[in-house]
Amino acid sequence: GDSVTQMEGPVTLSEEAFLTINCTYTATGYPSLFWYVQYPGEGLQLLLKATKADDKGSNKGFEATYRKETTSFHLEKGSVQVSDSAVYFCALSDRINQGGKLIFGQGTELSVKP
Amino acid sequence: DAGVIQSPRHEVTEMGQEVTLRCKPISGHDYLFWYRQTMMRGLELLIYFNNNVPIDDSGMPEDRFSAKMPNASFSTLKIQPSEPRDSAVYFCASSFVRELNTEAFFGQGTRLTVV
Repeated sequence: GDSVTQMEGPVTLSEEAFLTINCTYTATGYPSLFWYVQYPGEGLQLLLKATKADDKGSNKGFEATYRKETTSFHLEKGSVQVSDSAVYFCALSDRINQGGKLIFGQGTELSVKP
Repeated sequence: DAGVIQSPRHEVTEMGQEVTLRCKPISGHDYLFWYRQTMMRGLELLIYFNNNVPIDDSGMPEDRFSAKMPNASFSTLKIQPSEPRDSAVYFCASSFVRELNTEAFFGQGTRLTVV
């Protein structure tokens, strides 16, 4: 079945460092791809999304490009801040084959030090 | 809109007791999901509904767990009897599947502790 794999955390960076969190997926159809962020003690919030191949999602300085050829959706940010410390989840949804179900990766914890 | 509303935010109960978690989805959304989050297993999908009908409950761990959606604005997840290993944060999420736009909106979660 469909699945999402993320790089393991925790990831610890200094403020203003470059961030990459890898995400790859397996899907039988043509899913939409998402990055969600979870701050401590809160629920998940949508960070960005892409609905078709070569789309680039972006928000709050974060970017991710839907790469069908490599089945990847890596999250990047050029300069992280302490406030970016959170857990990041990659997810896919395949409406045609999975009926709208969201499938999540295991999450990657990011810690940014001043 | 107030977003997805879950209650209670925190629940502490004794082993063997019945626990009921509640969720009010965003008005107009036609999908509702129940997830469980633990350190060991991450985020697990328990069950999801479409137009109040359960579509996939394969993630429900065992018969002690049940979920209902009597109408479009309310859902419950019940655990009876509860066990310490059920301790987790339970999230409800809803979405409106319109073409390819299938993002889900999450509630704040219910932190369940079974002692």
